[in-house]
Amino acid sequence: DVQMTQSPSSLSASVGDRVTITCRASQRIDGYLNWYQQKPGKAPNLLIYAASSLQSGVPSRFSGRGSGTDFTLTISGLQPEDFATYYCQQSYNTPRTFGQGTKVDIK
Amino acid sequence: EVQLVESGGGVVRPGGSLRLSCAASGFTFDDYGMTWVRQAPGKGPEWVSGMNWNGGNIGYADSVKGRFTISRDNTKNSLHLQMNNLRVEDTALYYCARVVGTWGSRNWFDSWGQGTLVTVSS
Repeated sequence: DVQMTQSPSSLSASVGDRVTITCRASQRIDGYLNWYQQKPGKAPNLLIYAASSLQSGVPSRFSGRGSGTDFTLTISGLQPEDFATYYCQQSYNTPRTFGQGTKVDIK
Repeated sequence: EVQLVESGGGVVRPGGSLRLSCAASGFTFDDYGMTWVRQAPGKGPEWVSGMNWNGGNIGYADSVKGRFTISRDNTKNSLHLQMNNLRVEDTALYYCARVVGTWGSRNWFDSWGQGTLVTVSS
């Protein structure tokens, strides 16, 4: 199975900050990487697919990049509604696997 | 508007069975693969099973292989998960999600239901 490792596990940030979350795969997964946001009591919500494509309706302050084994999710100008947990997920092979999550909370 | 509504969760003893359902609306169901993802309390999501539009390509997590069976009824716009020989570690909120892209290749889960809770306890 492809293991997905996110860093950091949690971070504290202020409104307006630029935040970057890293996801590393245990093997090459090309660009088969998706990012989800999850708020308490809600289902995950797709933000970025295929490493860098912004899902329809998602604000442009979210961006993704990377290929191979190393990927990043960047939030440029953190907003109050962005405080949540973020997960990466690979779709290179089965089983699909998720990272352990990065919780972004208010400093 | 895409809507996915799960049902069938509940409390069951270890070794028991449950059948989850997911009712889909707002899109052409048989144009899409579908998947089940679960989330144990306080944990991250865990992919469980998925299938392409006609059931010709199906995958399972190792943790459920041989115990869970995914199926779909395209005439009723519904997805199902038959769960047998349930274990305490199967306790989780189970989500169904729509798959965009080719099952078995690059894809992503673009719409999710609200989940149905499965509790396995003696």
